[in-house]
Amino acid sequence: EVQLLESGGGLVQPGGSLRLSCAASGFTFSSYAMSWVRQAPGKGLEWVSAISGSGGSTYYADSVKGRFTISRDNSKNTLYLQMNSLRAEDTAVYYCAKDRKTYCGGDCYQFDYWGQGTLVTVSS
Amino acid sequence: DIQMTQSPSSLSASVGDRVTITCRASQSISSYLNWYQQKPGKAPKLLIYAASSLQSGVPSRFSGSGSGTDFTLTISSLQPEDFATYYCQQSYSTPDFGPGTKVDIK
Repeated sequence: EVQLLESGGGLVQPGGSLRLSCAASGFTFSSYAMSWVRQAPGKGLEWVSAISGSGGSTYYADSVKGRFTISRDNSKNTLYLQMNSLRAEDTAVYYCAKDRKTYCGGDCYQFDYWGQGTLVTVSS
Repeated sequence: DIQMTQSPSSLSASVGDRVTITCRASQSISSYLNWYQQKPGKAPKLLIYAASSLQSGVPSRFSGSGSGTDFTLTISSLQPEDFATYYCQQSYSTPDFGPGTKVDIK
């Protein structure tokens, strides 16, 4: 059974940093691209960042480029999101999500499994 | 970015009704369109990928159609567990989600 379990959320002051983790199990982690998707309270979904299965390619939304860094440790089956220079508008539930296809190439970003989410609150 | 719009933003329907939700992209995205269902406090669930392919385990009352810029999600006979918010998402480039359509009980 595929499971994704996020952790690391919490309350942080503006300008602060936080590192989210997503522990994966039930599938060959290194074969799948992974993404972070966030949802501000009462709002819609916003894709944040993605990383290829090998970790060699990374992608970011303009809203977080230069502040957030996605990474993965395939030996630990874990996905990370390092968030720096946090702003109030980064307040959201952050989900990790798995691509549906292995080595998806040009047909990625079909998210078939999601974690339960971890809440990040940026406030003084 | 590709702008995604959905209509309506909300709708009220009864059990057994046929429900149609429309999604439009600001440019052609071929068939790179996915649909998700989200219930309050829960993670989204993939329903349809590549515009019309039913995700494994999803009931056949859900169907998707369209290509290019205009897409449709149809629920053929609304069930009590289908009351939720539905999002479209383009996967032609780095993802963009639509604003969502909330389906509630009439």
